[in-house]
Amino acid sequence: GAVVSQHPSRVICKSGTSVKIECRSLDFQATTMFWYRQFPKQSLMLMATSNEGSKATYEQGVEKDKFLINHASLTLSTLTVTSAHPEDSSFYICSASYFGGEQFFGPGTRLTVL
Amino acid sequence: GIQVEQSPPDLILQEGANSTLRCNFSDSVNNLQWFHQNPWGQLINLFYIPSGTKQNGRLSATTVATERYSLLYISSSQTTDSGVYFCAVADNQGGKLIFGQGTELSVKP
Repeated sequence: GAVVSQHPSRVICKSGTSVKIECRSLDFQATTMFWYRQFPKQSLMLMATSNEGSKATYEQGVEKDKFLINHASLTLSTLTVTSAHPEDSSFYICSASYFGGEQFFGPGTRLTVL
Repeated sequence: GIQVEQSPPDLILQEGANSTLRCNFSDSVNNLQWFHQNPWGQLINLFYIPSGTKQNGRLSATTVATERYSLLYISSSQTTDSGVYFCAVADNQGGKLIFGQGTELSVKP
């Protein structure tokens, strides 16, 4: 299957700082990338959908000014958590697909905000 | 939106046993995927199966789209099969996946 990477895998930051997470599709062109969040012992919840070169579409209840998403190329999308607070601590996972087909997931980024 | 229900929520097996995991969904779908989430959080793609039957080693899956359910079969289970199994579906609006709550499988030696 296709390979998707995420960086960093783990980040600890102080409250009020911003954190950027990168998601890369390594061996295919991802026309669409998705960002999910997973809290402990829960399922994945979609945060936003981004198409290359377009603004991201956010799910209801997700603050677009807090979670900035950029999808500047067919192989890279970034999620920036701005002014992070302890309640933003979670496991963030990206996925990538080619024209709405099978989705392939990155290994995730564990964010801890102190 | 589409609702996805998985059953059972938890399953404990003895090594070597077989199991069936079920995924029900509330509307027609364009995509259905089964995943295994390992202890480190990585989602492993098991099947991309909006309809029909597929097999991969000890695993197989069947989706009956007209009746809105999918089944994942695990035969001769091994301790390394432990983890959470997710079913996720996408409708025809942009391909976003809606996840079920998962089945947590524990295989005992």
